[in-house]
Amino acid sequence: DAGVIQSPRHEVTEMGQEVTLRCKPISGHDYLFWYRQTMMRGLELLIYFNNNVPIDDSGMPEDRFSAKMPNASFSTLKIQPSEPRDSAVYFCASSLGPASGNTIYFGEGSWLTVV
Amino acid sequence: AQSVTQPDIHITVSEGASLELRCNYSYGATPYLFWYVQSPGQGLQLLLKYFSGDTLVQGIKGFEAEFKRSQSSFNLRKPSVHWSDAAEYFCAVGAGGNKLVFGAGTILRVKS
Repeated sequence: DAGVIQSPRHEVTEMGQEVTLRCKPISGHDYLFWYRQTMMRGLELLIYFNNNVPIDDSGMPEDRFSAKMPNASFSTLKIQPSEPRDSAVYFCASSLGPASGNTIYFGEGSWLTVV
Repeated sequence: AQSVTQPDIHITVSEGASLELRCNYSYGATPYLFWYVQSPGQGLQLLLKYFSGDTLVQGIKGFEAEFKRSQSSFNLRKPSVHWSDAAEYFCAVGAGGNKLVFGAGTILRVKS
């Protein structure tokens, strides 16, 4: 089975530009997570969805960040406008059930550099 | 709030030597515990997990971990390390809701 698929794998953009990261979760998984990984802060949960509905976005750093899940097989994380401090690896992950009792499967990440 | 501490930022072991990576968690009830591995440029892969039952958990790639409630620990072990084990290892705790909290990670270097 295909795992969690993310695109683009690498993105270099200029400050002020809009960035859209995409994710296709594992088929049948009803939870989708967006994490950010940086050297300074490690892995942070940004937002998660259950059955396409955003449940907790308390980890989203600023209003410049937004996430959507229009259907069960697709989600986006958008940064507008982007800033150099947004440079990080963004992981999408999915699970069949709540994270506390189920395995979360991670994509390979989108490596974002904002210059 | 739950938290995870991985006291060792870097560990270097010789190929063929045994390995133990430390993980301590903070949570009032029985947690769900995970170990993930991240190779350079890759995502996180699950090594093993503990939900309940036997406190010694076997995982992939020859790894095991032991849940010790009295010490709030979930240390990862491997009897003989291979060069391909060089990676970063993350301990995580899921303790209610959906916020899987990760430790800061331990970078494992393997010398030949």
